[in-house]
Amino acid sequence: NAGVTQTPKFQVLKTGQSMTLQCAQDMNHEYMSWYRQDPGMGLRLIHYSVGAGITDQGEVPNGYNVSRSTTEDFPLRLLSAAPSQTSVYFCAITQGWGGGYTFGSGTRLTVV
Amino acid sequence: AQSVTQLGSHVSVSEGALVLLRCNYSSSVPPYLFWYVQYPNQGLQLLLKYTTGATLVKGINGFEAEFKKSETSFHLTKPSAHMSDAAEYFCAVNPTGANSKLTFGKGITLSVRP
Repeated sequence: NAGVTQTPKFQVLKTGQSMTLQCAQDMNHEYMSWYRQDPGMGLRLIHYSVGAGITDQGEVPNGYNVSRSTTEDFPLRLLSAAPSQTSVYFCAITQGWGGGYTFGSGTRLTVV
Repeated sequence: AQSVTQLGSHVSVSEGALVLLRCNYSSSVPPYLFWYVQYPNQGLQLLLKYTTGATLVKGINGFEAEFKKSETSFHLTKPSAHMSDAAEYFCAVNPTGANSKLTFGKGITLSVRP
C-alpha cells in the first residue's frame, strides 16, 4: 500500500516546455488535490477533484490543467512552463469529512 | 472563504522548553482543523486534527492542540521540546463539506537549541 505516489521527484524544464506531473493513489479515495509550496507562502491549492470526471479550480490555477479519468490517477499538466512555476508540487488525497489528508512526497520543479 | 493565520515565520526554543505555535483561523462554517509537520526535503505528515467532540486533541510525538471556538484558535503545544522537533509546522483549515479545499497557513519554522 504505497498511498500516494508522485513522479518524477525532480525536474528541470526550460521556459515554454510542457510536462505532466503524475499522481497515483491506491487508497480508493474520491478526493484528490494538487498544491504548490513556495517559501513563505505555505501550500496553495491549484486544482482539485471530487471524483472521476469532476475537476475544479483552486486558488492558483493559471498555467495548469488537470483531468481525472480514473479514481487512481490525477495528473497535473504544465502547458508552457514559466519561471514563476518553479516550486515544489504536492498531490494530496482524502476520503473526506475530516478524515485527514495524505500527501505524496512531492515533485521539485525548476523552470529556467 | 476560509483563511489561516500563523503569526511569525520562525520560533526558537531551548531543548526541554515549552513549544507554543499559534494558529488562528476564519471559516464561515464549522471547521475541521489540522496541524502538519514537514521535515527538511520531505512531504507533510499529519500531527493531529480536530473534527468534532473533545476540543483538546492529542497527536503524535507528544504534541497537542486545543480548539477554542470563541477565540477562533487552534494553537499547537508540546511541554518539552526535543531536538528532533525541529521542522516546519503548518496549520490548516477545511470547512465542513468542502472536502478538497484544505487551506494552509504560511507555516512556522521551529528551531530547537541544545
